[in-house]
Formats: sequence, structure tokens, C-alpha cells
Amino acid sequence: LAKTTQPISMDSYEGQEVNITCSHNNIATNDYITWYQQFPSQGPRFIIQGYKTKVTNEVASLFIPADRKSSTLSLPRVSLSDTAVYYCLVGDIQGGSYIPTFGRGTSLIVHP
Amino acid sequence: GAGVSQSPRYKVTKRGQDVALRCDPISGHVSLYWYRQALGQGPEFLTYFNYEAQQDKSGLPNDRFSAERPEGSISTLTIQRTEQRDSAMYRCASSLAPGRINEKLFFGSGTQLSVL
Repeated sequence: LAKTTQPISMDSYEGQEVNITCSHNNIATNDYITWYQQFPSQGPRFIIQGYKTKVTNEVASLFIPADRKSSTLSLPRVSLSDTAVYYCLVGDIQGGSYIPTFGRGTSLIVHP
Repeated sequence: GAGVSQSPRYKVTKRGQDVALRCDPISGHVSLYWYRQALGQGPEFLTYFNYEAQQDKSGLPNDRFSAERPEGSISTLTIQRTEQRDSAMYRCASSLAPGRINEKLFFGSGTQLSVL
């Protein structure tokens, strides 16, 4: 199982772009990268998923370099409501026994 | 239902009592997962089901913990002879089907268990 490493915490200000990088040096060929967001008192919520290059949706962008040993979640123009914990998960989602495994995540605090 | 429903929302019990935590997944979702989350930590995997079959229970801490999903829908996580160290938020998640691209988990609000 690929291990992920991400910063424990980050601070930003409203209107700024935030980039959270996750390292996964031993990612396997069939592994996908998935990010979840968790607000206080709620369960994690799926944000975005990718395999390579760039993926964008209405919430965020995910940048994955060619070697796939890291990935960067990009949140454009954050607001106070983006204050949350962000988790990076790596695994073979098409495999029969994929278990989404969460680390400690990155606690993002957005300041006024 | 519209989302994953867990009950009770809060459970306070005395050490040594048994507790049963319920999860009602999104209708039609094949996979159901149980996690435990301590304050300041990420969710810790406990066990999961595809339909009624328990696929993996490697995360259950000890034999006081058990789970079932007899009809492939609602699931119950049971903790026998509770101990104070069992106090945590217990979260349930479901997903449409295993092995799909963009497969995602939908989490419930959790059950906060406090063992006195």
C-alpha cells in the first residue's frame, strides 16, 4: 500500500490560491490519487481524483507530474469556508480489495 | 435515502456495557465501510462489506468488535464490554460499487461514542 506524506497544517488568506502537495514515492502503476475534504463535525467528502497530468472540476484542480510520485491539490481563491482538513489517498481503486486509507491529512486554516 | 444515515448520533455508555451502532447506506450502494476517528486524526479503517459479505475485517481492534450487514443494506457495528479507550467517533461510508473509476465514498455524520 502506497504511503502518503502531506503537511500537517497550512495557513492562507481569503482570495489566495492554495496548493497542498502530497508525496507518494512508492505509488504503484494501477494506483489512483484521490483527495477528500473534511469540515469539523462532518465526515470526509470526495473532492477530486486523478491518475496522471491534470484534472479539474468545479471545486479544485489536481496536478500530477509524469513520475506520479507526488500530487498537488490546488484550491483557487479560497474563502473562510474552505477551512477544513484535506486528505490525500492513493490506491488501486479498480482492484478487488481497495480500502480507502486516510492519514492525518492537512489542516488548512483560511484567515480573513 | 438521500445520504448515509447513522444512529444514534451520540451514545454515552458505562464501561462494560455492549453498544450497537447502526448505519443505513445510500440506497443501491454495494460497498459499506466502517471507520473510527479520534480527535485530530484521520479516519481509521475497521471493516467493509460488499453486499452482505464482509470482505475485510483486519482493522477491527480486537474480538470485542464485530459487524454485520445481513441483507446487504443496513449494517450494525457492535462493541461488546466497552472500554474507555473505545471512545471515538465511529463513521460509516458507502460507495456505489467496488472497482470503478471515480469510485467515491459517501460518509454519514457519525456516532460519537463516549464510554464512562
